Amino acid sequence: SQQGEEDPQALSIQEGENATMNCSYKTSINNLQWYRQNSGRGLVHLILIRSNEREKHSGRLRVTLDTSKKSSSLLITASRAADTASYFCATETADSWGKLQFGAGTQVVVTP
Amino acid sequence: DAGVTQSPTHLIKTRGQHVTLRCSPISGHKSVSWYQQVLGQGPQFIFQYYEKEERGRGNFPDRFSARQFPNYSSELNVNALLLGDSALYLCASSYYSSTDTQYFGPGTRLTVL
Repeated sequence: SQQGEEDPQALSIQEGENATMNCSYKTSINNLQWYRQNSGRGLVHLILIRSNEREKHSGRLRVTLDTSKKSSSLLITASRAADTASYFCATETADSWGKLQFGAGTQVVVTP
Repeated sequence: DAGVTQSPTHLIKTRGQHVTLRCSPISGHKSVSWYQQVLGQGPQFIFQYYEKEERGRGNFPDRFSARQFPNYSSELNVNALLLGDSALYLCASSYYSSTDTQYFGPGTRLTVL
């Protein structure tokens, strides 16, 4: 079974709108990372948030982490067509040193 | 600085054959991890190597093996290929491991016919 699961599976929005996707996980984590993948190519690292952090920002991206609910969210503000991609959360747990466990991803389509 | 590089980009093999995939980490990074991504799914962890030693192994059969060289580059070998091995194989590097960001290469697309 997967450690992380993203919700929704797919999201379609227009340019300028905000996109929010969620990630839930099952066991305690060291950190949680968000990645973007364009059309089956390599993964691009977006943000790493550690278990003792609650919120991080990077440009138009905002990530929150609620360890009590074992969940995280990724917000993309003022979306652009170039944000069209699949977004994955990946967790690293205390007993899996260096092993990232990915969810199935959220497919985001931003239309002009 | 160059990112993580992988070769080849694409590969077509037939069932039963053997394949070797190669990865060069970001300069200065000592850890390399391998992931398999089947179409429509998230990546699945295969191996992690740090300082030439295997530090982690995912739930993959013994047909999968890997090694890391003194220059920290790595090879992933798959023997007796099955149709189900068709996937995007991703390599990631980090300086250390735990709590470090892992940077991914562009992947090798393997098709088994």
